[in-house]
Amino acid sequence: AQKVTQAQTEISVVEKEDVTLDCVYETRDTTYYLFWYKQPPSGELVFLIRRNSFDEQNEISGRYSWNFQKSTSSFNFTITASQVVDSAVYFCALSDDAIQGAQKLVFGQGTRLTINP
Amino acid sequence: NAGVTQTPKFQVLKTGQSMTLQCAQDMNHEYMSWYRQDPGMGLRLIHYSVGAGITDQGEVPNGYNVSRSTTEDFPLRLLSAAPSQTSVYFCASSIELFGEQYFGPGTRLTVT
Repeated sequence: AQKVTQAQTEISVVEKEDVTLDCVYETRDTTYYLFWYKQPPSGELVFLIRRNSFDEQNEISGRYSWNFQKSTSSFNFTITASQVVDSAVYFCALSDDAIQGAQKLVFGQGTRLTINP
Repeated sequence: NAGVTQTPKFQVLKTGQSMTLQCAQDMNHEYMSWYRQDPGMGLRLIHYSVGAGITDQGEVPNGYNVSRSTTEDFPLRLLSAAPSQTSVYFCASSIELFGEQYFGPGTRLTVT
């Protein structure tokens, strides 16, 4: 069965520190997709990245980077030089199952990140 | 484009009452879903639709009904509200299978 584990419930760092959010997933399928979403205090969900299981290249977008390692079933997210605006709950999600043509997305429990000035 | 809109933003119901949460998108997306978010549990799929006239159950469908008469609208009906349905409800749409999901702003529902 699909499962996503974000073991870090809460992280608190001082501004400008680097921080890594861990995500470990379980799936039996060889084809699957991994996602990260951000939920700021305002409550909306913001898409950050999608990665398919055949692309293990790391991705960098500004201060954000993602490390995908199939060998350890992990898809970790690093914020470099964190800023107060990065404070949010971050969700990792997995989709490996198209139910009758629809995507079934399984979310981790989320990591609440607080960046202190 | 308004994206995905949800109404109402907040709602308080008494146990046993029924209501409909509205969701609409103006991006011509075929795929739409309803999730509920509970503390410490991430988001869980309630119902989904792959196009007008086609809906099916997700992980936690009990107590909820959906219909999809148009591409744009995907309402979620609570048949007889229970305190266990107190949650934040998100509607989402996507243009492609396994694609980025666009989420609405959410509806915070309290059942007393």
